[in-house]
Amino acid sequence: SQQGEEDPQALSIQEGENATMNCSYKTSINNLQWYRQNSGRGLVHLILIRSNEREKHSGRLRVTLDTSKKSSSLLITASRAADTASYFCATDDNSGAGSYQLTFGKGTKLSVIP
Amino acid sequence: NAGVTQTPKFQVLKTGQSMTLQCAQDMNHEYMSWYRQDPGMGLRLIHYSVGAGITDQGEVPNGYNVSRSTTEDFPLRLLSAAPSQTSVYFCASRQGLGTDTQYFGPGTRLTVL
Repeated sequence: SQQGEEDPQALSIQEGENATMNCSYKTSINNLQWYRQNSGRGLVHLILIRSNEREKHSGRLRVTLDTSKKSSSLLITASRAADTASYFCATDDNSGAGSYQLTFGKGTKLSVIP
Repeated sequence: NAGVTQTPKFQVLKTGQSMTLQCAQDMNHEYMSWYRQDPGMGLRLIHYSVGAGITDQGEVPNGYNVSRSTTEDFPLRLLSAAPSQTSVYFCASRQGLGTDTQYFGPGTRLTVL
């Protein structure tokens, strides 16, 4: 079953604006990752945040994690047309030793208009 | 490094036919997995492997078989294709658990008529 749920399902913004996507999940996690998928391509890892971290930055990306609310957000600042893609959160659940599965949400489709 | 490679890129099958989707990685990763991606459903795990000779079922394993005879290869077999298996299939690998990045192949777009 789906662990993460992204919100909104689709987002359209002008180039230069910031884009914020949210992810909610159900069970306790070891870490949460964000991936990007360009149309017709595989997923590419963007950033990982551990369960004991609250915020992480990578270039124009900022990720926050609130384990009490079981939610995360991905902020892309100063968006570019090349940021147009679908963005997925994925969780490494904390269900016990040997747990391997990454569980993905349904994604947010971001369109950045030049 | 080629990373994770998948063949074929596109495939059309008739109901009842069988085929194998190939996946290979050259990063010496222990963990490999197969996902299917359907519109509005995100990615769902079909099968995964934690090392050569070890496989296990994911969320949606019915109708699919896997084997892992080598570290590099992780083929996915469709035993008797059904229209419900029309999807985009992604293979992925990562070195270990926890904080390791998962690397994805480019995908195989399968249509079952």
